[in-house]
Amino acid sequence: QQQVKQSPQSLIVQKGGISIINCAYENTAFDYFPWYQQFPGKGPALLIAIRPDVSEKKEGRFTISFNKSAKQFSLHIMDSQPGDSATYFCAASKNTGTASKLTFGTGTRLQVTL
Amino acid sequence: DSGVTQTPKHLITATGQRVTLRCSPRSGDLSVYWYQQSLDQGLQFLIQYYNGEERAKGNILERFSAQQFPDLHSELNLSSLELGDSALYFCASSVNGRAVETQYFGPGTRLLVL
Repeated sequence: QQQVKQSPQSLIVQKGGISIINCAYENTAFDYFPWYQQFPGKGPALLIAIRPDVSEKKEGRFTISFNKSAKQFSLHIMDSQPGDSATYFCAASKNTGTASKLTFGTGTRLQVTL
Repeated sequence: DSGVTQTPKHLITATGQRVTLRCSPRSGDLSVYWYQQSLDQGLQFLIQYYNGEERAKGNILERFSAQQFPDLHSELNLSSLELGDSALYFCASSVNGRAVETQYFGPGTRLLVL
């Protein structure tokens, strides 16, 4: 059962363009939504995260938009650069003290062309 | 460099065999997580330990087991290996294991079962 659905599977964006990746979740108990970036041959690394009490969070060129009623959240990469070419994973988890279980989306392979 | 180390980097073995993957968390992190990344299943949470105790369990097969030692390093044991177990296995760590904490991923161990 895929609890976090991610789209698109792959994305090609020109340098300077906006990259948009979408995720939808099913479990309303989720209360933490991070995005991870993974370069080939490396482990995922946290990019940005949001809690459901805010609708948007921005860090530099990266913005998460969150729609609690629709159970959807998205990552926007402004002014996309070739160095942003990587696989992006959305994830979700619920806060249960010292127990944590990240549920990942299937990933989006982003390629930023010159 | 996330500060999380994993050994070995690559492992090639045969079906039916048993292997042990090792993880050293970042200095000061009490919680360790194991993930499996495969092409068809994506990034799947396996298990979490916090200060030596199991805290959360995901889609971990009965043939797989893990433990966290007093020095906080962790081992993932995979037994009766099948072709389908071929994947990248990541270890991650965080300070206290809470859902809102950043999980720092290691570089992974690539397992190939022939």
